[in-house]
Amino acid sequence: DQQVKQNSPSLSVQEGRISILNCDYTNSMFDYFLWYKKYPAEGPTFLISISSIKDKNEDGRFTVFLNKSAKHLSLHIVPSQPGDSAVYFCAASATFFTNAGKSTFGDGTTLTVKP
Amino acid sequence: DTAVSQTPKYLVTQMGNDKSIKCEQNLGHDTMYWYKQDSKKFLKIMFSYNNKELIINETVPNRFSPKSPDKAHLNLHINSLELGDSAVYFCASSQEASWAGYTFGSGTRLTVV
Repeated sequence: DQQVKQNSPSLSVQEGRISILNCDYTNSMFDYFLWYKKYPAEGPTFLISISSIKDKNEDGRFTVFLNKSAKHLSLHIVPSQPGDSAVYFCAASATFFTNAGKSTFGDGTTLTVKP
Repeated sequence: DTAVSQTPKYLVTQMGNDKSIKCEQNLGHDTMYWYKQDSKKFLKIMFSYNNKELIINETVPNRFSPKSPDKAHLNLHINSLELGDSAVYFCASSQEASWAGYTFGSGTRLTVV
């Protein structure tokens, strides 16, 4: 049972344009969502997060949107840069204040930003 | 100055052998994790330790045994290795009530031949 899904395995955009990565989840108990970025031969790196009490969180070029009714979140990168080329993982947790709450990960979207 | 370090980075071994992967974090985090990334690229949690206590133990074969001598270390020992154990294993740590997510190590690519 895959509770977090990233339906697009890959995405290619032109430098300077917007990249939109999507993520859907099925578990209504999830209340904390994160995006990670992963380069080859490295571990995932935390990028941005959002709590279920918000519908938007922005950090520089990165914005995460949450639509709880649709159980959908998206990551917007604007403007996209070649250095953004990586695998992006969406993750969700059912608890925030207890660290024992595990994060459930999607299977990733490979973003390629063309110069 | 690596925050979460795993050793070895690559591990090639024969079926039936016993091997260990070590993980150390210097961030002062309370919780450490082991995740497995299989050939389909899914990252699945295996274990979670909070201050040396086992908190999460997913459905993982008994051949996998985590050990946490202190809260800065979480090692993974695997007995009687099988072909299906081939994967990339990531160690991670996090701080309670932090918005910063997990800090991952760079992974250990285990290949069982």
